Amino acid sequence: EPEVTQTPSHQVTQMGQEVILRCVPISNHLYFYWYRQILGQKVEFLVSFYNNEISEKSEIFDDQFSVERPDGSNFTLKIRSTKLEDSAMYFCASSEAGGAGGYTFGSGTRLTVV
Amino acid sequence: AQRVTQPEKLLSVFKGAPVELKCNYSYSGSPELFWYVQYSRQRLQLLLRHISRESIKGFTADLNKGETSFHLKKPFAQEEDSAMYYCALTSSGGYQKVTFGIGTKLQVIP
Repeated sequence: EPEVTQTPSHQVTQMGQEVILRCVPISNHLYFYWYRQILGQKVEFLVSFYNNEISEKSEIFDDQFSVERPDGSNFTLKIRSTKLEDSAMYFCASSEAGGAGGYTFGSGTRLTVV
Repeated sequence: AQRVTQPEKLLSVFKGAPVELKCNYSYSGSPELFWYVQYSRQRLQLLLRHISRESIKGFTADLNKGETSFHLKKPFAQEEDSAMYYCALTSSGGYQKVTFGIGTKLQVIP
């Protein structure tokens, strides 16, 4: 069964540093998403990406965040200058034609900012 | 605004007992409702969606538009059902972002 792959599984970074979280969506999927989950809180939508541009972003997704699909397979989330409150589990997801029923989630990257 | 409410953070039941995980939603249009499950150290997985009206692993959920609820039920809990359960909502049509509830941890006591 196809999977969404995320790397690394755990990243520790110092406050103020840039981090890039990587995701390989399922190959024939067209929609890509990032979500995050702060410990003890709910999973929150960050951004959706379709046709090489952002479709929608949440209030959380401010100028410190950016996404990119640098080649035909990777989908990255960059945080330019990390803050302590960016510590969370970050989930990538992809879907073939939109719709949460068609989502496939990755296993997540745990980001710890110290 | 879309909102999903799961009133219980933790639900403990004995093996063999019935399970009901509550979910209420707020949405002005016609939403699609889902339940996701996350077993320990595993990724989020779709459990079921209201459109398909199917039963997965013995779980069912009925969308009640009058009460704006989508409770997840299972008549007899099993130990392997222990997990985090997230109710989720999207709008219909096109791509959709997902709005999740805070999740309910189901603990099945042997």
